[in-house]
Amino acid sequence: DAKTTQPPSMDCAEGRAANLPCNHSTISGNEYVYWYRQIHSQGPQYIIHGLKNNETNEMASLIITEDRKSSTLILPHATLRDTAVYYCIVRVYGGSQGNLIFGKGTKLSVKP
Amino acid sequence: GAGVSQTPSNKVTEKGKYVELRCDPISGHTALYWYRQSLGQGPEFLIYFQGTGAADDSGLPNDRFFAVRPEGSVSTLKIQRTERGDSAVYLCASSLLRSSYNEQFFGPGTRLTVL
Repeated sequence: DAKTTQPPSMDCAEGRAANLPCNHSTISGNEYVYWYRQIHSQGPQYIIHGLKNNETNEMASLIITEDRKSSTLILPHATLRDTAVYYCIVRVYGGSQGNLIFGKGTKLSVKP
Repeated sequence: GAGVSQTPSNKVTEKGKYVELRCDPISGHTALYWYRQSLGQGPEFLIYFQGTGAADDSGLPNDRFFAVRPEGSVSTLKIQRTERGDSAVYLCASSLLRSSYNEQFFGPGTRLTVL
């Protein structure tokens, strides 16, 4: 079973920031938080990952709470092309399993 | 450069038939993964290869499912005696290394429909 909890859906106005929450209250000290997204009819796409520090790349920012029990993915200026299902995944670094465990994710709809 | 490719993009078959789904990973990626995605669900892990060997096949639902990667590059997922419940999108992903630090690159998937 997935170790994360996400709202099933969210709406965001085009040009505004999209803030996608994720709860991972049972996260272990050696588990990273990963975010992927899946645009309709495509395979999932990696966005960002982090351990405990906030991270930013060209796609998004990841804010992880100090106790690491939750995180927020931020798309600073959402566009229509950001409409997708966003998956929050926790995963052990260098663990014996290579696979990702997906939940149902959050369906983000960016509206004009 | 080329991403992960999967063929065919769509496959329609009849119950009881045998099907093969192909995955071409990104060149040089040693790790390869197969996932299955049913409508409205997230992808579900099936099997993971490190090189030519199946390092973890714990996600295969039963012995009708089998996958190979004989030369450590292209992989084929084989399904025998297909059932209507096998209908799903089958996704393949590859990554440079086994470590969780390395992101997985997914192909567009093969949509399998079993009539």
